[in-house]
Amino acid sequence: EPEVTQTPSHQVTQMGQEVILRCVPISNHLYFYWYRQILGQKVEFLVSFYNNEISEKSEIFDDQFSVERPDGSNFTLKIRSTKLEDSAMYFCASRASGMYNEQFFGPGTRLTVL
Amino acid sequence: AQSVTQPDIHITVSEGASLELRCNYSYGATPYLFWYVQSPGQGLQLLLKYFSGDTLVQGIKGFEAEFKRSQSSFNLRKPSVHWSDAAEYFCAVSDLSGTASKLTFGTGTRLQVTL
Repeated sequence: EPEVTQTPSHQVTQMGQEVILRCVPISNHLYFYWYRQILGQKVEFLVSFYNNEISEKSEIFDDQFSVERPDGSNFTLKIRSTKLEDSAMYFCASRASGMYNEQFFGPGTRLTVL
Repeated sequence: AQSVTQPDIHITVSEGASLELRCNYSYGATPYLFWYVQSPGQGLQLLLKYFSGDTLVQGIKGFEAEFKRSQSSFNLRKPSVHWSDAAEYFCAVSDLSGTASKLTFGTGTRLQVTL
């Protein structure tokens, strides 16, 4: 069964450093998403991406964040200068075209900022 | 703006007992509702979804949920819980107004199963 994969599973970084979280969505999906879950809190939407551009972003997704689909398979989230409060689990999701198709989630990347 | 409320943070049930997890939503139009499950260290797995039609929907692992528009609820049920059902359960609503269809999640209910 096709699945969304994410690497790395755990990333530890120093405050102020740049990190890139990587995702490989399901191959025929066209909509891509990043969500985050701070420990003990709910899953929050960050950004959605379709047709090689951001279709929607939340207030959390400020200028420190960027997304890219550098090739036909990967979907990345870059945090330019990490802060302590960026420590969270980051989930990638993808969805096939068609309004009523559900999102499939990857296993997440746990980001720890020291 | 859409929102989801899961009033129970933590529920403990005995194996074999029935389960109901509550979810209330706020959404201006017809909601598109989901239940996801998250096992420790795992991602989110879809249990079931509802958009229209029969208000009682069946999902995987023996779960079902009932949509009640009058109560703005979408409660998850299972007649007999197994120890492997211990996990965190998230209710979510999708915004269909744009192309993004982003999900808004509730705060989750952690289910503990005692043997």
